[in-house]
Amino acid sequence: SQTIHQWPATLVQPVGSPLSLECTVEGTSNPNLYWYRQAAGRGLQLLFYSVGIGQISSEVPQNLSASRPQDRQFILSSKKLLLSDSGFYLCAWMRDTGYTEAFFGQGTRLTVV
Amino acid sequence: TQLLEQSPQFLSIQEGENLTVYCNSSSVFSSLQWYRQEPGEGPVLLVTVVTGGEVKKLKRLTFQFGDARKDSSLHITAAQTGDTGLYLCAGPYFGNEKLTFGTGTRLTIIP
Repeated sequence: SQTIHQWPATLVQPVGSPLSLECTVEGTSNPNLYWYRQAAGRGLQLLFYSVGIGQISSEVPQNLSASRPQDRQFILSSKKLLLSDSGFYLCAWMRDTGYTEAFFGQGTRLTVV
Repeated sequence: TQLLEQSPQFLSIQEGENLTVYCNSSSVFSSLQWYRQEPGEGPVLLVTVVTGGEVKKLKRLTFQFGDARKDSSLHITAAQTGDTGLYLCAGPYFGNEKLTFGTGTRLTIIP
């Protein structure tokens, strides 16, 4: 069965520091991978998605970037964090069985101070 | 920009009552999913509806896809405290494989 791992679970970083969040998927090959950000108790905003190694699409202009160095690895980064980067970050892989379904990691609570 | 509006935004009811939450869009979905999210965790898929007018039941939860595939509803019968959570609808619009998520309904069941 497929599993998705995301870490760390919580992170407190000072403004101006770098960021690296990692997501890995097991049990599937060539997954479509996504990074979402969620405001407190609300819906999810799509940040980046990737359909393969080195292929990144950005949905919104922002202070973040993403990379896909390996088939089952997806990384969210920033060179200098802003206060507005605080939020709950979720990695997901999409299963396509004729229709798209998302399976999420546990999420990372990022607080920029 | 395609929007998925969910209503109500917040709902608090007594245990044992029934409730319905809604998911609406002006655009057509190829399919639609409902997720439930607990605090501090990722959303968990509950169901996928595919055909216009489709109804799916998951124990006390009934999901309906609108005939025109632009809206959906989730009905919970005899709510329990374990139903508490954030309910999110999501779907890929026709011609777009990416999932767009709704604004969410925060449901609280009071014992």
